[in-house]
Formats: sequence, structure tokens, C-alpha cells
Amino acid sequence: AQSVTQLDSQVPVFEEAPVELRCNYSSSVSVYLFWYVQYPNQGLQLLLKYLSGSTLVKGINGFEAEFNKSQTSFHLRKPSVHISDTAEYFCAVSPPSGYSTLTFGKGTMLLVSP
Amino acid sequence: KAGVTQTPRYLIKTRGQQVTLSCSPISGHRSVSWYQQTPGQGLQFLFEYFSETQRNKGNFPGRFSGRQFSNSRSEMNVSTLELGDSALYLCASSVGLAGTKDTQYFGPGTRLTVL
Repeated sequence: AQSVTQLDSQVPVFEEAPVELRCNYSSSVSVYLFWYVQYPNQGLQLLLKYLSGSTLVKGINGFEAEFNKSQTSFHLRKPSVHISDTAEYFCAVSPPSGYSTLTFGKGTMLLVSP
Repeated sequence: KAGVTQTPRYLIKTRGQQVTLSCSPISGHRSVSWYQQTPGQGLQFLFEYFSETQRNKGNFPGRFSGRQFSNSRSEMNVSTLELGDSALYLCASSVGLAGTKDTQYFGPGTRLTVL
């Protein structure tokens, strides 16, 4: 079984500042890792994913994440945030050997203020 | 390519009623998964269908059921609604083949309110 921990339920930040949203996972097998974003009253949009290969993954809207196997982490970063990045961000894992059922963290609300 | 569509977007029901939600996957995707999102429990996996067969199931009571049609469209049904069933129900589709680095793409969700 897998589990995902998002260490911060809310992250307030000023516009144009850098941000890091933290994600740690637990699994007895290797996993695929994902970050999704949810804007108010909408579904989930895929930001980026790590399946294999380079541990630094670039996604949409200027986000990137780094897979750290030894620390079982997959933190999301953006060097300069915009007001429009205000949303809830979810880290998720799925087992690569089976099918794509996702296990999600509880989410981190990113609040960007001017 | 059109994305995942869900209908209806909003529903209001009363306790004891039943409800059916619909999901149309991305063209070519054969797997449809359903998730429940609530403020208290977060995102929880309900079940997954592939080629008209339930392939995986989460930890939900039997009141929650689903099916998939030959065109990969899926429906989920909740019978004897309870107040706690109020949630955003999200559908996700993917190719569905093991070992293919599969990725799930989500629809906008159906907001169910039980009064």
C-alpha cells in the first residue's frame, strides 16, 4: 500500500516570490509520482509527473518537481508565483507495476497575495 | 481531443433517494476511475472500470456502484443517499494498460448535495 503526506495544508506567499510545496510518500514498491492542481469549482489538472529517468521534472505554468528516492520526496517548486497560481495542489502516487489508481495527499492550498 | 466530460455538473438530492452520475472519457481511453472528494476525507478512490469490467475497488459501501459501457462511457450510482455522500465526484480516464506509464486525466466533477 502507498500513502502520501503533504506537510503543509496552506502556504501563503507574495506574488513574484518563490514557493515550494512539500510531498513525501511511503511505498514498499517503486511508484509513479504526480502533481495535480485544482482551481475553485473545477476538476484536477495534471501539472507534471515523474515516471522514470531524470529526477528533475518540468511541468506546465513554470512548475517543476524533483524526485528524491532516498528521502521519498517529490517537492513542487516555482521560482516566481503569480496571483493566478492560487489554487489547491495535490501530490499523488500510483503503482507502476499495476494500473493507474491514484493515492492522493490531503492537498496544499497555495495562497498568493499581491 | 476533447477532455473528460461529466454530467450533470450539479445535483441536489434528499436523503434516501438514489442518483446516477455520468462520465465520458477521452477518446481512445478504456479505463475510467471514480473518486470522491470531501473536505474531511480528501480525495478517495471509489472504483475503476476497464473494458466494461470493474478492475479495482476502493473501500466504500455497496451503496456505491458503477458500470461501463462498450463505448467506455461510465456511470456511477449511489443508492439510499446519506448526508455524508455530499461531495464532489470526479471521474478520470486513462489508456488503462499496465506497464504503459499510464496517466489519469480528470473531468470537472459533479457536485452532489444531499439534503
